[in-house]
Amino acid sequence: GESVGLHLPTLSVQEGDNSIINCAYSNSASDYFIWYKQESGKGPQFIIDIRSNMDKRQGQRVTVLLNKTVKHLSLQIAATQPGDSAVYFCAENMRGGSNYKLTFGKGTLLTVNP
Amino acid sequence: GAVVSQHPSRVICKSGTSVKIECRSLDFQATTMFWYRQFPKQSLMLMATSNEGSKATYEQGVEKDKFLINHASLTLSTLTVTSAHPEDSSFYICSARRGGGMNEQFFGPGTRLTVL
Repeated sequence: GESVGLHLPTLSVQEGDNSIINCAYSNSASDYFIWYKQESGKGPQFIIDIRSNMDKRQGQRVTVLLNKTVKHLSLQIAATQPGDSAVYFCAENMRGGSNYKLTFGKGTLLTVNP
Repeated sequence: GAVVSQHPSRVICKSGTSVKIECRSLDFQATTMFWYRQFPKQSLMLMATSNEGSKATYEQGVEKDKFLINHASLTLSTLTVTSAHPEDSSFYICSARRGGGMNEQFFGPGTRLTVL
């Protein structure tokens, strides 16, 4: 049978295409969201963040969209390159008092084919 | 700026020994440091939150006597895995947060622990 947690969602795209990675978050009280990129054997690398008072934020080649109604977050990568191949995690900040803990999503493995 | 280092990057030890992992914020003072564990093909799971000069706050299910955390200064936190066993083999990652109400956490490169 399948083991919970061992099947990472995957997305395979061609170089130059746009990529969209989705994430459903759990806590409607979360007010800060971040996307991280993690290459094999390395720590997470910050990509872009967004606060709950916004629904869209753009960076260099990346855009984050936030839909609080359905608790959904997406990361769009324009003109995807082979160097974008990695696991992408969304994280939410559940604030409680002075608590700044992050809760990470499951992650999506992005593979860019040349 | 905002660089976090970890040492060692990789460690192999025998079952029953203790291993210490260091996390340093190199160019900023970290009010809070966090320790995560990541098993293969899985997400990061928060183990504990540590504030400089006070006891760490552990997440549910994480044994505080097994995973000792010391945050003695604003630039250094250590995680000691005591009496390590093969099931403790994992990728341990720290992050550091600046103070002043800033949310962003800066992550270290991780430490691969293998317990034989």
